[in-house]
Amino acid sequence: DAGITQSPRHKVTETGTPVTLRCHQTENHRYMYWYRQDPGHGLRLIHYSYGVKDTDKGEVSDGYSVSRSKTEDFLLTLESATSSQTSVYFCAISEGLGGATWTQHFGDGTRLSIL
Amino acid sequence: DAKTTQPTSMDCAEGRAANLPCNHSTISGNEYVYWYRQIHSQGPQYIIHGLKNNETNEMASLIITEDRKSSTLILPHATLRDTAVYYCIALKGGSNYKLTFGKGTLLTVNP
Repeated sequence: DAGITQSPRHKVTETGTPVTLRCHQTENHRYMYWYRQDPGHGLRLIHYSYGVKDTDKGEVSDGYSVSRSKTEDFLLTLESATSSQTSVYFCAISEGLGGATWTQHFGDGTRLSIL
Repeated sequence: DAKTTQPTSMDCAEGRAANLPCNHSTISGNEYVYWYRQIHSQGPQYIIHGLKNNETNEMASLIITEDRKSSTLILPHATLRDTAVYYCIALKGGSNYKLTFGKGTLLTVNP
């Protein structure tokens, strides 16, 4: 299995508080992604990174920010959590961006509940 | 990326082959077909991908029609642990950062 660790695995917090989720990889892959998964919506891309300090928005980026200061770590921050951000968050990595090199490997997810 | 269409759900008997279809009639020549699955409460898992030729690995086989408008994922001997949602995705190079997974097919393997 690909070396991807998400932390924390579970978190409960209150509306308005900041939250940071961490994704750590040991594969030295260039590309890293954050998705959220909600019932009826499948997986939706929040942000992705194509290198250290290089990030871009996905389709549901409002209310989220990311940072990548090292190849192995990709952080997702909810600046002021809202109940609509209650979800399961998945981190993924890939060697390349599309075609045959795009195979993504996923972490085990973080279950985030915002009360 | 081309749109894909999959049945919402399928059933299969344990030990039998599971054949999961996917339509991608608008696929372009440089788009790959990828298959992933997601077992309940786990992260998605890569299964297989292909461009034109049929592919086989330790998990499954992928059959792509000659016109590339459809494909079939085959799990040769389905087990209860293969119960999952299976996603078919058509993807070309350099554009996948906007990718979203569709709703997939829920495969239920019955004893």
